Amino acid sequence: DQQVKQNSPSLSVQEGRISILNCDYTNSMFDYFLWYKKYPAEGPTFLISISSIKDKNEDGRFTVFLNKSAKHLSLHIVPSQPGDSAVYFCAASITGANSKLTFGKGITLSVRP
Amino acid sequence: NAGVMQNPRHLVRRRGQEARLRCSPMKGHSHVYWYRQLPEEGLKFMVYLQKENIIDESGMPKERFSAEFPKEGPSILRIQQVVRGDSAAYFCASSLRVMKGDLSGNTIYFGEGSWLTVV
Repeated sequence: DQQVKQNSPSLSVQEGRISILNCDYTNSMFDYFLWYKKYPAEGPTFLISISSIKDKNEDGRFTVFLNKSAKHLSLHIVPSQPGDSAVYFCAASITGANSKLTFGKGITLSVRP
Repeated sequence: NAGVMQNPRHLVRRRGQEARLRCSPMKGHSHVYWYRQLPEEGLKFMVYLQKENIIDESGMPKERFSAEFPKEGPSILRIQQVVRGDSAAYFCASSLRVMKGDLSGNTIYFGEGSWLTVV
């Protein structure tokens, strides 16, 4: 049972435009959400997170939006840069439940120069 | 990757041998997690440990896999009698603390990974 779903396996955008990466979850107990970026042959790098008490968190070019009623979150990258090309994983956890992360399968973002 | 150190980065083992993967968490972190990424898949939780304790091993295969995090030294993920299906990237991660209401401590930082190839 895939509790965190990233339904689009890939996304291609033009440099300078906005990248929107989507993520859906099914477990209403999740209360902390994170986005990780991963280059080939490297470990995931933490990007940004959001708790369920918020609906938006912004850090530079990265903004995460959370819609709890729809069990949906999205990562916006603006403006997109070629160096943003990577696999992006959405992850969710339940505070107090050992904080283990449940990951989606990832989205491959390609930013065209 | 934020100071979580894993070794070896690459490991080749023949079927039936043992694989031992090591992980040193970030300084000050007392919580260690192991995740596995199979080809074309996302990361799957395996085990969560604190010093000298296994807290959650719900993602560990029932046989051949074990993990420890001793009082001194790195965390070890051990795979006995490896099979081809064990070929994967194994990622260790650490976090500061897990406290209800302190969500910043829930951010988990990953190491570079150990790539196991079973031939």
